[in-house]
Amino acid sequence: GQQLNQSPQSMFIQEGEDVSMNCTSSSIFNTWLWYKQEPGEGPVLLIALYKAGELTSNGRLTAQFGITRKDSFLNISASIPSDVGIYFCAGLQGGTSYGKLTFGQGTILTVHP
Amino acid sequence: DTEVTQTPKHLVMGMTNKKSLKCEQHMGHRAMYWYKQKAKKPPELMFVYSYEKLSINESVPSRFSPECPNSSLLNLHLHALQPEDSALYLCASSQGPEGGELFFGEGSRLTVL
Repeated sequence: GQQLNQSPQSMFIQEGEDVSMNCTSSSIFNTWLWYKQEPGEGPVLLIALYKAGELTSNGRLTAQFGITRKDSFLNISASIPSDVGIYFCAGLQGGTSYGKLTFGQGTILTVHP
Repeated sequence: DTEVTQTPKHLVMGMTNKKSLKCEQHMGHRAMYWYKQKAKKPPELMFVYSYEKLSINESVPSRFSPECPNSSLLNLHLHALQPEDSALYLCASSQGPEGGELFFGEGSRLTVL
């Protein structure tokens, strides 16, 4: 099946640093979603992107839908300890994949105070 | 707080037991999903219901039986499970069957002894 290559797999940063992670694919996606998951909880939707080139912010988070429609990135500025968790990108294609999200493998973020 | 509610939060069952996981959403969404998630891995799609009808079954073993009694409720009936079925089971919903923004519940942590 389709795969999303998400990198980095993990990050260990100091509080206050900026963070950047991305997802790439060999296929075109119509929608990109970014989720955060904390231990024992379900994924929480952070940002949704629907148009190629779209740049969207949510507080300290900024995400972009790549021009080629094959990639997306998420930036977190001025990280804080509560940013800790696993961040997943997810893409949605049309056609026969209607309604089926493809997830990246996740980026595990650790923030040291 | 998530608007997708799952019960129970934790479940321990033997391989001969029959149990059910329940999910409820009141956002008026017309598509509902079951996902299975292993530790530190992305969610894996199991089933999709669209307008209360099963539209996608990702070749899930018959020991998992989904049910959608109405547009707000989704159940997952469990019977004769194996220890390798132990995982976090996530319910999600989206506005329509085309997917888009999926909203997840907090999950039901299942342990099969």
